[in-house]
Amino acid sequence: GDSVTQMEGPVTLSEEAFLTINCTYTATGYPSLFWYVQYPGEGLQLLLKATKADDKGSNKGFEATYRKETTSFHLEKGSVQVSDSAVYFCALRTSGSARQLTFGSGTQLTVLP
Amino acid sequence: EPEVTQTPSHQVTQMGQEVILRCVPISNHLYFYWYRQILGQKVEFLVSFYNNEISEKSEIFDDQFSVERPDGSNFTLKIRSTKLEDSAMYFCASRSPGGQAAEAFFGQGTRLTVV
Repeated sequence: GDSVTQMEGPVTLSEEAFLTINCTYTATGYPSLFWYVQYPGEGLQLLLKATKADDKGSNKGFEATYRKETTSFHLEKGSVQVSDSAVYFCALRTSGSARQLTFGSGTQLTVLP
Repeated sequence: EPEVTQTPSHQVTQMGQEVILRCVPISNHLYFYWYRQILGQKVEFLVSFYNNEISEKSEIFDDQFSVERPDGSNFTLKIRSTKLEDSAMYFCASRSPGGQAAEAFFGQGTRLTVV
């Protein structure tokens, strides 16, 4: 079945540090890939997505590139801010209109001033 | 901006009691989902709903769970006889047609505590 493996957390960084959160996947077919973010006390929000190999999703300074050869979708940001403190979830969806998202375990990021 | 609304935000219930969690999806969306997140764990799929019927359900979604879209607006999740292990954050999501890459919009969740 489909699965997503995410880097274990928690991750603590200083403001302006470089962030990488690793994500790899196993899927039947050709999935779409997503990063969702959950700020404290809030629901899940889509951060970025990519739908085919070598696509780069980007938003709010975050980027992730769909790497089919390594089945990876690592999240990066060049300079994190305190406001980026949240839980980040990697997810995939395979084909089929009603198909659900399959999530990774989430990575807690704390950015210190 | 349209959003998915869930009520209540927090529900405490006695073990064995029935609970109904309510969601108002975005109005032009056609696909509806329930997920849950036990504290500190991953977000898990429970059930998807399309065209007034269940499309898929996970192993978690046993006979104690049911979903309904009673009036074309609300989307509810019922747990008939709650267990301690049902304590979790429950998220409703909805999605428009648009294929595999269409964004799912999530509500803010209902925290269910079974005591």
